[in-house]
Amino acid sequence: DSGVTQTPKHLITATGQRVTLRCSPRSGDLSVYWYQQSLDQGLQFLIQYYNGEERAKGNILERFSAQQFPDLHSELNLSSLELGDSALYFCASSAGTRENGQFFGPGTRLTVL
Amino acid sequence: GEDVEQSLFLSVREGDSSVINCTYTDSSSTYLYWYKQEPGAGLQLLTYIFSNMDMKQDQRLTVLLNKKDKHLSLRIADTQTGDSAIYFCAESMRGNTGTASKLTFGTGTRLQVTL
Repeated sequence: DSGVTQTPKHLITATGQRVTLRCSPRSGDLSVYWYQQSLDQGLQFLIQYYNGEERAKGNILERFSAQQFPDLHSELNLSSLELGDSALYFCASSAGTRENGQFFGPGTRLTVL
Repeated sequence: GEDVEQSLFLSVREGDSSVINCTYTDSSSTYLYWYKQEPGAGLQLLTYIFSNMDMKQDQRLTVLLNKKDKHLSLRIADTQTGDSAIYFCAESMRGNTGTASKLTFGTGTRLQVTL
């Protein structure tokens, strides 16, 4: 158990809908990262937050947004969903200033029908 | 640019050593990581190495880094059936804001351990 929690574990929705994925980092970790894992794209970095502020952006679509709250949990919002958004979405956390690796949650499997 | 490559599949017999290879292109990478992903699970951090090191050993795991060739390998001694999984190498650089930066992952190597 990495100490990172994600909810829900599975999400099935329809095209055009909006969903919110939630992540709680390990105790004491200030950085949260979101990644998407799909068969055709592999593991892709989406966005990073550090202590409530956005720090880096990767291949994140404009239809996607995220935020980190004062209690350090983070939410990833996906809107106007398309079939191609079906993937595993992982959240990871790290202490932020030390490079000791990122610790991943179990992921949310999103299926868009 | 950033690009991390791995072979897709490796099959070994139980008890043998496994060697999983990875090449990366970004010479400014500061840390290199190995993660393990079992079916239906998240990514488990196995080990990491700082770019100024050549080798790191952690129990059955040995990481070798050839910075000149930008080649990273993970050796698993006495491979067990429980080691069957997908192994990802990843690189990172310290972000210009001083925080640990994003990870760039390889395609993953599926390790199959046979009896």
